[in-house]
Amino acid sequence: QSALTQPASVSGSPGQSITISCTGTSSDVGAYNSVSWYQQHPGKAPKLMIYDVSNRPSGVSSRFSGSKSGNTASLTISGLQAEDEADYYCSSHTNSNTEVFGTGTKVTVL
Amino acid sequence: EVQLVESGGGLVQPGGSLRLSCAASGFTFDDYAMNWVRQAPGKGLEWVSGISWNSGGIGYADSVKGRFTISRDNAKNSLYLQMNSLRTEDTALYYCAKDISSGRPKSFDYWGQGTLVTVSS
Repeated sequence: QSALTQPASVSGSPGQSITISCTGTSSDVGAYNSVSWYQQHPGKAPKLMIYDVSNRPSGVSSRFSGSKSGNTASLTISGLQAEDEADYYCSSHTNSNTEVFGTGTKVTVL
Repeated sequence: EVQLVESGGGLVQPGGSLRLSCAASGFTFDDYAMNWVRQAPGKGLEWVSGISWNSGGIGYADSVKGRFTISRDNAKNSLYLQMNSLRTEDTALYYCAKDISSGRPKSFDYWGQGTLVTVSS
């Protein structure tokens, strides 16, 4: 199972919106509405930000939103803040009944 | 408060074995699937294995299939990962992660702090 493809880095200024893409195949992202997004700060465990493509767990800011079209999912962060600077990973269920993560994207707040 | 505490990591030679444990508290353990996720130094996340609430559904990444075995003891609120035939590429921080579902792997809403496994001669 190959990792989902994410851009290595995305940057934006405070207050701007950025979007991170996550491209898979018809065997994973395209097959299930089971895409999740995680935020990871250096030296910390990952934190669930989005599940089932567009749902936010309790306590996650509404500035984070998710969507999906075909084999590509996206995470949008609006009103970018300094605390959003972190690594972000997508994940998807696969038709092998496994889970696959994306390659990861480093978000930099300029 | 949900807590996941991993243990059992350490330095092992190639070909050796280790057993990781994860002690869970703060939630009804046998209501949820559990997973192991690893992260090699400076690298991304890799799902390793998952187990459903009643151990009826188990899955492994191709990279560990046949070498690693996941199990759980609901009476002890504990998750395990038996790792055999370890390779240098298995070197990573191993996280225990609680699933939001009871069955197949879905999304991981709570994570431990990880236990470091180093495979080296």
